[in-house]
Amino acid sequence: GDSVTQMEGPVTLSEEAFLTINCTYTATGYPSLFWYVQYPGEGLQLLLKATKADDKGSNKGFEATYRKETTSFHLEKGSVQVSDSAVYFCALRNSGGGADGLTFGKGTHLIIQP
Amino acid sequence: NAGVTQTPKFQVLKTGQSMTLQCAQDMNHNSMYWYRQDPGMGLRLIYYSASEGTTDKGEVPNGYNVSRLNKREFSLRLESAAPSQTSVYFCASSVLPQVRSGNQPQHFGDGTRLSIL
Repeated sequence: GDSVTQMEGPVTLSEEAFLTINCTYTATGYPSLFWYVQYPGEGLQLLLKATKADDKGSNKGFEATYRKETTSFHLEKGSVQVSDSAVYFCALRNSGGGADGLTFGKGTHLIIQP
Repeated sequence: NAGVTQTPKFQVLKTGQSMTLQCAQDMNHNSMYWYRQDPGMGLRLIYYSASEGTTDKGEVPNGYNVSRLNKREFSLRLESAAPSQTSVYFCASSVLPQVRSGNQPQHFGDGTRLSIL
């Protein structure tokens, strides 16, 4: 079945550092890929998405590129802020059949220190 | 702009008690979902409803039932709660089911934190 693997952390960085959170996936067909962010005590918010190979999703300074050849969708940001501290989830949605719903990675806890 | 609303936000139950978690969306979405979130496990799909009048099992359906009451509302019921069902439950919705448009994101509520003693 489909699966998503991401670094679990916690990942601790200083403010203004460069961020990379790795995400790789296994799926049949051509899934759409998403990054969600969860702030403490809240639900998941869509951060960005990419629907086909070589697409780049971007939002709030975050970027991720859909790499079919390496089955990856790594999240990057050039300069993180304390307000970026949260849990980040990589997820895929596969239109190739089977149960509907997103397949999630286990989440990466990001801590940004001032 | 409410989006997806879940009630209650917190609940404590005793083993064997029953409980219904409520979810409503005001975005005119066709598809709705229930997930549970456990530490170190990410989110796992319990049940989903691709459209009004249909429901299907997800990855972890045992111990749960669902009802798609109308297009807006999708409830999750625990008939006889067990400590293993202690979790944070999230409801989500999407414009279309994946077989019609797999590139649509899902929109999440703020969750129900359920503890079973």
